[in-house]
Amino acid sequence: KAGVTQTPRYLIKTRGQQVTLSCSPISGHRSVSWYQQTPGQGLQFLFEYFSETQRNKGNFPGRFSGRQFSNSRSEMNVSTLELGDSALYLCASSLKQGRTQYFGPGTRLLVL
Amino acid sequence: AQTVTQSQPEMSVQEAETVTLSCTYDTSESNYYLFWYKQPPSRQMILVIRQEAYKQQNATENRFSVNFQKAAKSFSLKISDSQLGDTAMYFCAFALSYNTDKLIFGTGTRLQVFP
Repeated sequence: KAGVTQTPRYLIKTRGQQVTLSCSPISGHRSVSWYQQTPGQGLQFLFEYFSETQRNKGNFPGRFSGRQFSNSRSEMNVSTLELGDSALYLCASSLKQGRTQYFGPGTRLLVL
Repeated sequence: AQTVTQSQPEMSVQEAETVTLSCTYDTSESNYYLFWYKQPPSRQMILVIRQEAYKQQNATENRFSVNFQKAAKSFSLKISDSQLGDTAMYFCAFALSYNTDKLIFGTGTRLQVFP
């Protein structure tokens, strides 16, 4: 089975722009979660989706949003980018709640 | 709220030796999962081992084993016969057993394996 895929792998944006990141889970996996990784804050949970419903959301401003499609693919959007949004964004999928999450390679976002 | 603490920012070990990485956590829940993930320089997060809190038996995966002490809320990772490819950041993570897959991560331990 193919693993979790994330696109794009690298992205450079300027302050004030918006960005959309995509995540395709492992085939058959219905749960998708997103994490932000920065040197200062470490790994922080953004949100999770199951069957197109947001089940949980981390402590991030409303500029961070996401959604999940009927094929379980997920996107996250960050509007009005700030320098502090520069990070590695990781997506993880699992078969269902309580199962192990498997991570994608991440999208590295640089905001200038 | 749950927290995960990794008190060793960096560790080093010689090839073929054994090393133990520490992790403590805090929760008032009785059912949960604990994980060790490895993140090599490629930044790909890889599952090393998983432990269900209701299981008393410590999980093992080849050269990797854990010492799970539920009462002490401790979850250490032992790597036996260390290999150069084990060089990576290691993250301890906690997840509740219901209603969410949310992982709460520790700050990580950077492990360097020397030849």
